[in-house]
Amino acid sequence: AQSVTQLGSHVSVSEGALVLLRCNYSSSVPPYLFWYVQYPNQGLQLLLKYTTGATLVKGINGFEAEFKKSETSFHLTKPSAHMSDAAEYFCAVSPAGGTSYGKLTFGQGTILTVHP
Amino acid sequence: DTEVTQTPKHLVMGMTNKKSLKCEQHMGHRAMYWYKQKAKKPPELMFVYSYEKLSINESVPSRFSPECPNSSLLNLHLHALQPEDSALYLCASSQGDKRLNEKLFFGSGTQLSVL
Repeated sequence: AQSVTQLGSHVSVSEGALVLLRCNYSSSVPPYLFWYVQYPNQGLQLLLKYTTGATLVKGINGFEAEFKKSETSFHLTKPSAHMSDAAEYFCAVSPAGGTSYGKLTFGQGTILTVHP
Repeated sequence: DTEVTQTPKHLVMGMTNKKSLKCEQHMGHRAMYWYKQKAKKPPELMFVYSYEKLSINESVPSRFSPECPNSSLLNLHLHALQPEDSALYLCASSQGDKRLNEKLFFGSGTQLSVL
C-alpha cells in the first residue's frame, strides 16, 4: 500500500521568494516519486521524478526536489518564485516493481499563490 | 507531436443519456490511462490499457466502459451516470514499457456534468 501526504493545501509566497512545498510518502516497497503541476482547466504536467540514483532531482522551470528516505519525504523547492508558478502542485508515488506502471497515487494537492 | 487530445472539452448529460469521451495521442505510446478528478481533489486512476489490452480496472462501476480501438485511441463510454459522476476526466499516455520511471503525458481533460 502507498499514500502521499502534502502538508498545507495552500501556500502563498512573494515573487522572488523561496518556494517550499512539502510531501511525505508511505510505501511498503521502494517508491518512485513524482511532482506534477496543474494549471486551471488543464491536465497535469510532470515537473520532476525520482526513481533511483541521485537523491537531488532537478526538474523543469527551476524546480528541484530531494528524496530523503530516512524522513520519507520528497519536498519540492524553487529558489525564486515567479508569477507563472501559481498553480496546483501534486506529489505522487508509484511502486517500484511489478506491472503497476502509471498507477500513481496522488497527494491532495497544494495550491501555490505568488504575490507581486 | 507531444500532445494528448481529449474531446469534448465540456459535456453535459442527463442520467439516461449515452455519451462517449475520446482521447487520442500520436506519440507512439502503448499505455493509456483514464483518471477521474473531482473538484478540489487529486486525480484517481480508473483504467489502464497496455498494448490495447485492459491491464488495470480500479473497481470502476460498469456504467463506465473503456475501449481502446487501437494504440492511438482511447474511449470512455458513459451510460446511466449519476450526478456524483460529475468530474474532470483526464486521459494520459506513456511509452508503455515495463520500466516504472515512465513519464505520463496528460490531456486537458473533459469536464463532465451529469444532471
